[in-house]
Amino acid sequence: SAVISQKPSRDICQRGTSLTIQCQVDSQVTMMFWYRQQPGQSLTLIATANQGSEATYESGFVIDKFPISRPNLTFSTLTVSNLSPEDSSIYLCSARPDYQDTQYFGPGTRLLVL
Amino acid sequence: AQSVTQPDIHITVSEGASLELRCNYSYGATPYLFWYVQSPGQGLQLLLKYFSGDTLVQGIKGFEAEFKRSQSSFNLRKPSVHWSDAAEYFCAVGNRDDKIIFGKGTRLHILP
Repeated sequence: SAVISQKPSRDICQRGTSLTIQCQVDSQVTMMFWYRQQPGQSLTLIATANQGSEATYESGFVIDKFPISRPNLTFSTLTVSNLSPEDSSIYLCSARPDYQDTQYFGPGTRLLVL
Repeated sequence: AQSVTQPDIHITVSEGASLELRCNYSYGATPYLFWYVQSPGQGLQLLLKYFSGDTLVQGIKGFEAEFKRSQSSFNLRKPSVHWSDAAEYFCAVGNRDDKIIFGKGTRLHILP
């Protein structure tokens, strides 16, 4: 398995600002993922972040709004830019350890945009 | 199209009663199937998974699930629920080389 931590755990941000969320994995993994969970909803994949390549974004998500970094095999960041109240959600990162078929999730970052 | 359906948005059971949460999927290839649980204010925890082999899989916390290919189902069961089982449960389908698709979730309420 993998143990995943996220920072911050929650934040309140003003409209028009940006928030960067950090995700740390306790082991080296090739594949990491970022999800959004809007209030009362299921998880929606934002992008896949593989170390050594550009992030792959799902339909409806763009790099300008959700830039992602993946500087090494244990760390990734997601920035939510130009915040609006519609961005208020839980953002979760996950990792799939190499040679495994299961994604493990971090505790999530709860974002409220005023 | 790939999809996961959890037909029950909310389920309420009494503590000590048995539980079954339904999940149906649509997936073109051989699916990998998962059940995750999300307790209030928490991230997702993997309960169990099915990739191949025995169609009845055991998970953590006394949960089990049965894969039925003919019905495209992967229902989650527990013989006796505890108050601490109150949470949101997500069924998911995917493949090792593909993204995971989550259902909309079933919120489980436990009556004392």
